[in-house]
Amino acid sequence: GAGVSQSPSNKVTEKGKDVELRCDPISGHTALYWYRQRLGQGLEFLIYFQGNSAPDKSGLPSDRFSAERTGESVSTLTIQRTQQEDSAVYLCASTLLLDRDAQYYGYTFGSGTRLTVV
Amino acid sequence: DQQVKQNSPSLSVQEGRISILNCDYTNSMFDYFLWYKKYPAEGPTFLISISSIKDKNEDGRFTVFLNKSAKHLSLHIVPSQPGDSAVYFCAARPGGPLVFGKGTRLSVIA
Repeated sequence: GAGVSQSPSNKVTEKGKDVELRCDPISGHTALYWYRQRLGQGLEFLIYFQGNSAPDKSGLPSDRFSAERTGESVSTLTIQRTQQEDSAVYLCASTLLLDRDAQYYGYTFGSGTRLTVV
Repeated sequence: DQQVKQNSPSLSVQEGRISILNCDYTNSMFDYFLWYKKYPAEGPTFLISISSIKDKNEDGRFTVFLNKSAKHLSLHIVPSQPGDSAVYFCAARPGGPLVFGKGTRLSVIA
C-alpha cells in the first residue's frame, strides 16, 4: 500500500487479557519501529527491526511486551496480561535507512492503534 | 532523563502571524533534527528536517533554525493558517531510533 497500515484502529480489552497489534509497513522499507504515546506524553520508543538483524528491544517496558517481524513485511506487537498503564496509542513507523541526499525524511507513521485497558 | 524537551505544551497564535515552536536537546551527538505534525486520530507526519551541520532550513512557510551552541532549535511558521492547528513534535536522531519531545499543541485562531 501507499502508507503504513495499522490494525485495529481501536482496541478495548480487559485487564489481564493478551492483545496483538498489527503493522503493515510501506513496501521496500527496510526498517520498522514501534512507539507508543501515553496520554500527555511524547512518543516513547519500544522496538526496532532492520532487515534480518536482531531487533533492538531496548525500549520494551517489560517482558509482557514482545514483537515479531517476518522479513521486511508485517510486524505484530503482542502485550500479554495487559495492565491499565498499557493504555496508549501504539504507533508503527517504517523508513528506508539509506539517505542518499542531504534531506532526512525520518519515518512514515501509521495512524496508530488506540489501546484501552479497562 | 529527557534528551529532547519541548517546554511549552501549548501555543495560541492569530491567523497570519508568526508561530514559533521551540525545542531544546541535551545530546550533542544528534546528527539530524526533525519536526513532525500530528492531527487527532492520525499518525505524525514529517514536516521539515535539518542536519546538524546547518543552521537553517526553509520549506515554504516553514523554517527550522538550529543553534548548536545553545542546543536549541525552533520552527517558524509564517504566515500561520488555521489548518496549521495541530500538535508539533520535535525529534532528533542519535544514530539509533528517533527521540521525540512531548509535543506542543498549536492553535491558530482565525
